[in-house]
Amino acid sequence: NAGVTQTPKFRILKIGQSMTLQCTQDMNHNYMYWYRQDPGMGLKLIYYSVGAGITDKGEVPNGYNVSRSTTEDFPLRLELAAPSQTSVYFCASTDRVGHETQYFGPGTRLLVL
Amino acid sequence: AQSVSQHNHHVILSEAASLELGCNYSYGGTVNLFWYVQYPGQHLQLLLKYFSGDPLVKGIKGFEAEFIKSKFSFNLRKPSVQWSDTAEYFCAVNSYNQGGKLIFGQGTELSVKP
Repeated sequence: NAGVTQTPKFRILKIGQSMTLQCTQDMNHNYMYWYRQDPGMGLKLIYYSVGAGITDKGEVPNGYNVSRSTTEDFPLRLELAAPSQTSVYFCASTDRVGHETQYFGPGTRLLVL
Repeated sequence: AQSVSQHNHHVILSEAASLELGCNYSYGGTVNLFWYVQYPGQHLQLLLKYFSGDPLVKGIKGFEAEFIKSKFSFNLRKPSVQWSDTAEYFCAVNSYNQGGKLIFGQGTELSVKP
């Protein structure tokens, strides 16, 4: 199993551009999450999904959109990139809620200039 | 709202020194507690977790953590650190009625000098 994969690994965007961060998991997990990691701030939840077709906002959803058309894929969309979105983005998945381990992808480093 | 606080932002130790990283959370209900580690250039991986039973939990690579309910704490310990323990450590909490959403602390960067 590849686990959780993310593409791209690194991207530079200009202000106002848009892009999609891809996330795929091959563990048949229902629950998927997008986090952003900023220095000294830990990880903040952007959006999450409890299954195909079901998504909900996390702590910091502004400026982002998601969709979940399949169990495997959970892309994160930035419509109008802003410098405040410069961050490292992690996707994660888990089988069930509760004390189950979340499995993280390798991350996407995004720089908005 | 739930929150997690890690008191140490950056800890520098020499090899063989003992380690204790503090973690406190605020939530009145039943919680699950986690420590994740991020080695340089790698993604987060689970170090250990507590959800019930013995409040002293043991994880990978000789790490352990103790859940003290009365203090809302879940401190991470290791008796003797190695250079390879250099990483960033994150404490996290979730609860059963929160859709599995993890609330993370700010992270503690550990640097171990050889």
